[in-house]
Amino acid sequence: SQQGEEDPQALSIQEGENATMNCSYKTSINNLQWYRQNSGRGLVHLILIRSNEREKHSGRLRVTLDTSKKSSSLLITASRAADTASYFCATDETGAGSYQLTFGKGTKLSVIP
Amino acid sequence: EAQVTQNPRYLITVTGKKLTVTCSQNMNHEYMSWYRQDPGLGLRQIYYSMNVEVTDKGDVPEGYKVSRKEKRNFPLILESPSPNQTSLYFCASSLRVGEQYFGPGTRLTVT
Repeated sequence: SQQGEEDPQALSIQEGENATMNCSYKTSINNLQWYRQNSGRGLVHLILIRSNEREKHSGRLRVTLDTSKKSSSLLITASRAADTASYFCATDETGAGSYQLTFGKGTKLSVIP
Repeated sequence: EAQVTQNPRYLITVTGKKLTVTCSQNMNHEYMSWYRQDPGLGLRQIYYSMNVEVTDKGDVPEGYKVSRKEKRNFPLILESPSPNQTSLYFCASSLRVGEQYFGPGTRLTVT
């Protein structure tokens, strides 16, 4: 079942600008993760935020989580051309004895030099 | 170097010819998973394994088989591939619930 839905589907910005991507999900989660994928390559983990956390930072990345609205946002500050990639949120609804990460369809970010 | 490897990276085959895509990780991770990625559909989980000899279906398991006889290996088997299984496949592993490490992907075309 598709859980996370990213918004927008595509985003084009100038180098140096900030990029904000949003993710909405449907059910209760244990944590939410963001991944980056360069064209056709494997996904790379960026950051994990637990359901009892509201905000987390890692370098130029800032993630927020609002469990009441079932949404998260990923902010990339001072974007660089190398940030051009697709970004996916993934939610973990793990129950006892199982583990599944459910990915959204992604936001394609283009950073123009 | 800690990594997840997949082989082959590219494969063109014909309908009905059994194939296996191998996945191996050198991080002693318990959890491993297979995903397929299709345009407009994102990543969808095929099968996952919590540990040796423990496997379970993901969202799109039809037409696929897996096995987990050793901790490091998690092969994906297509007994009778069909054109709708043409896709980009990723294997992933993790030590615990949380960050997953992805392989480089296998691009499969079934004609």
